[in-house]
Amino acid sequence: KNEVEQSPQNLTAQEGEFITINCSYSVGISALHWLQQHPGGGIVSLFMLSSGKKKHGRLIATINIQEKHSSLHITASHPRDSAVYICAGVYNTDKLIFGTGTRLQVFP
Amino acid sequence: DTGVSQDPRHKITKRGQNVTFRCDPISEHNRLYWYRQTLGQGPEFLTYFQNEAQLEKSRLLSDRFSAERPKGSFSTLEIQRTEQGDSAMYLCASSPQGGRDQPQHFGDGTRLSIL
Repeated sequence: KNEVEQSPQNLTAQEGEFITINCSYSVGISALHWLQQHPGGGIVSLFMLSSGKKKHGRLIATINIQEKHSSLHITASHPRDSAVYICAGVYNTDKLIFGTGTRLQVFP
Repeated sequence: DTGVSQDPRHKITKRGQNVTFRCDPISEHNRLYWYRQTLGQGPEFLTYFQNEAQLEKSRLLSDRFSAERPKGSFSTLEIQRTEQGDSAMYLCASSPQGGRDQPQHFGDGTRLSIL
């Protein structure tokens, strides 16, 4: 069983829609990364958070430590947001344990 | 900040050959991580270094795999006697130091294809 679970696996949206991607994780994770991966493989770190909420532009990430759950929200989605979004838990040894990713496609 | 650099970007080789990949981390980062990602899956941890010391290796890292970071700067990942199952994207990441407040910065990866 993967220690980091993401949902949904695939997501399609119309431009302008509000998008939510969810991530649940197991005991032992001290922080959570949200990452974006475009075709070709490059990974960009969007957020790293261990509590509360962070916002950057149209992206918002929240984490609930008690429920071991995090969400990534995209407001006013745009076709250029199309990518794979991956959550990854930071374990005490600092290695990342990744979810399987959510493939997002935003259509104009 | 020139980012994490990986070389080559793509490698195609025949089964049984040896391959070596290089990762140059961001210069002031003393943590360096290797991950492997197969098609349709999230990356999986392989190993990481604090300066030149290799601190942890995954069970995924069989005896055909070896990683080094001899001077605490760039790192190499070597795969000997490659197998079909080694086909994957190999990702390198670095961070200033460990800890939950230090995000990892990723390179663009090396895509390995075994014929």
